[in-house]
Amino acid sequence: EAQVTQNPRYLITVTGKKLTVTCSQNMNHEYMSWYRQDPGLGLRQIYYSMNVEVTDKGDVPEGYKVSRKEKRNFPLILESPSPNQTSLYFCASSPERNSNQPQHFGDGTRLSIL
Amino acid sequence: AQSVTQLDSQVPVFEEAPVELRCNYSSSVSVYLFWYVQYPNQGLQLLLKYLSGSTLVKGINGFEAEFNKSQTSFHLRKPSVHISDTAEYFCAVSDIWGGKLIFGQGTELSVKP
Repeated sequence: EAQVTQNPRYLITVTGKKLTVTCSQNMNHEYMSWYRQDPGLGLRQIYYSMNVEVTDKGDVPEGYKVSRKEKRNFPLILESPSPNQTSLYFCASSPERNSNQPQHFGDGTRLSIL
Repeated sequence: AQSVTQLDSQVPVFEEAPVELRCNYSSSVSVYLFWYVQYPNQGLQLLLKYLSGSTLVKGINGFEAEFNKSQTSFHLRKPSVHISDTAEYFCAVSDIWGGKLIFGQGTELSVKP
């Protein structure tokens, strides 16, 4: 089954403790992206990657890092999480570099930073 | 840069009634437009997209949207809604060269019996 898998689905942690949210897709997609969803703000793009070893900042990259060492994985790293990063995070992928292709979304990761 | 405004944060409607969810966008270049649906505790699913050609786009679950370039709008419509259409709906825009996808704030559609 074609899917985008995020882990963990839920995480409660404390300020300053480094964490990684993994994202993996089994569709051989070139494009992958991370979003955060906050009430009243919709989804905002954090980082995206058009291919292996190619990443670019989205609209809200501050406080986040990503890497794309292989095509299927695109982890999101919070080096020193803060409470304002409490949010619902989505990973997405699409088959082509151009955004005219629809994105396939994971089921989300809910992070709470205390 | 592009931006998207969804004009209604919540839309309550009775079952079998028609519904329109409004979306306006801003861009200085040609764009692609999308509508996504998010059911509770799930990721987003694509409902429909406008890339070029006919301005009336039909999607899944009986939804359709009309691209109006002069009014920079891409409103979503369904002639008769069901309880199962209760969800949050997001309008999104990107430029035609790819990369960034900009989402609106979302509209909660609540269908009541």
